[in-house]
Amino acid sequence: QTVVTQEPSFSVSPGGTVTLTCGLSSGSVSTSHYPSWYQQTPGQAPRTLIYNTNTRSSGVPDRFSGSILGNKAALTITGAQADDESDYYCVLYMGSDISMFGGGTKLTVL
Amino acid sequence: EVQLVQSGVEVKKPGESLKISCKGSGYSFTNDWIGWVRQMPGKGLEWMGIIYPGDSDTRYSPSFQGQVTISADKSINTAYMQWSSLKASDTAMYYCARVGRGSYWYFDFWGRGTLVTVSS
Repeated sequence: QTVVTQEPSFSVSPGGTVTLTCGLSSGSVSTSHYPSWYQQTPGQAPRTLIYNTNTRSSGVPDRFSGSILGNKAALTITGAQADDESDYYCVLYMGSDISMFGGGTKLTVL
Repeated sequence: EVQLVQSGVEVKKPGESLKISCKGSGYSFTNDWIGWVRQMPGKGLEWMGIIYPGDSDTRYSPSFQGQVTISADKSINTAYMQWSSLKASDTAMYYCARVGRGSYWYFDFWGRGTLVTVSS
């Protein structure tokens, strides 16, 4: 079965830029997978950041951006802030009205 | 304002049945898919399945097919997740979320979650 892959962890310095990726164990990610991204802090429900590859959800600052980089979906955070320290999850549409989460990336800002 | 209000904490024993709920308001509940997401303790999010309350059309992740039942009562704007025989491995936080408009297959609004603990 195809798995959605994410880096388990990443770190970024305050003010820095980081790109998290979302791939497939078999094949390439394209816009037809309608990549979406979610942020979750401990004890909280997820928050929707990006959908349809690069559309920011309402209220999401423009330092969060989505794209396709090579064969993966990507979430770029520009000018990282301390409160960006969270878990980040991608979702890919797999067809037949079924989607799948990636394993998540724990982002540390230090 | 779109809101999804989930039922409260549940503590159950293995083998017991359970039905948790998610009540939508602030939008046309009948016309948007609602999904369920599992988060086991210390683990990531897992896409379980979705339902279209208008006609109760349902889709399940292969990982959850046959393990849970998703249903909805459109007359009271409520979606449900139920188990007929709980296992300790069902211990998790369960979130409901609305599938966003357009064919983009993402979740745009989330409930706060229902914590389910299964222990003897």
